[in-house]
Amino acid sequence: NAGVMQNPRHLVRRRGQEARLRCSPVKGHSHVYWYRQLPEEGLKFMVYLQKENIIDESGMPKERFSAEFPKEGPSILRIQQVVRGDSAAYFCASQDRPSTDTQYFGPGTRLTVL
Amino acid sequence: GENVEQHPSTLSVQEGDSAVIKCTYSDSASNYFPWYKQELGKRPQLIIDIRSNVGEKKDQRIAVTLNKTAKHFSLHITETQPEDSAVYFCAAPKAGNTPLVFGKGTRLSVIA
Repeated sequence: NAGVMQNPRHLVRRRGQEARLRCSPVKGHSHVYWYRQLPEEGLKFMVYLQKENIIDESGMPKERFSAEFPKEGPSILRIQQVVRGDSAAYFCASQDRPSTDTQYFGPGTRLTVL
Repeated sequence: GENVEQHPSTLSVQEGDSAVIKCTYSDSASNYFPWYKQELGKRPQLIIDIRSNVGEKKDQRIAVTLNKTAKHFSLHITETQPEDSAVYFCAAPKAGNTPLVFGKGTRLSVIA
């Protein structure tokens, strides 16, 4: 769905730097999901957020990764002290409410760690 | 939690033939099964979905069937065209309603 926006679309970081990925959901959607996709692989769930709350972070590494979805503004996925293994495409998806089921994906941020 | 298996991992068909991709899931409480198409370098796009109160759903050349007893669902594409070439993912919700657990994907190649 063209309504989900992500930026930047491409991000290059050196090992040890921080990466900040932004996701603006479809207008009116209050549920946001972050997924990671390694080259030639499927989508792996990382974290599920509702406005100001983390609902499920079971797929997110406990160290270096954090996510937020503030009352105002986009959802942010933050990766501290990036390593080469963090290189991947990161997609966010938004949903109106869980009962409507359908998740709409953004265009993704392709993170490259040098 | 939910586990989703998808087969085959690659599929080549001649233009005009049909393609079938199958998925199994583990959580009998799952009630929503979407299929996404992802072209190279693009976002996953929902192409069809089915809820557990129906056994089949069709949208032009695409259909999905669901067998709740056997816990499997399939994507059927008829009269395939080169633009159908992409990676297709099935998914099912994790325990409860969300988030989605994805299969590993099927790379479909339609040969003209």
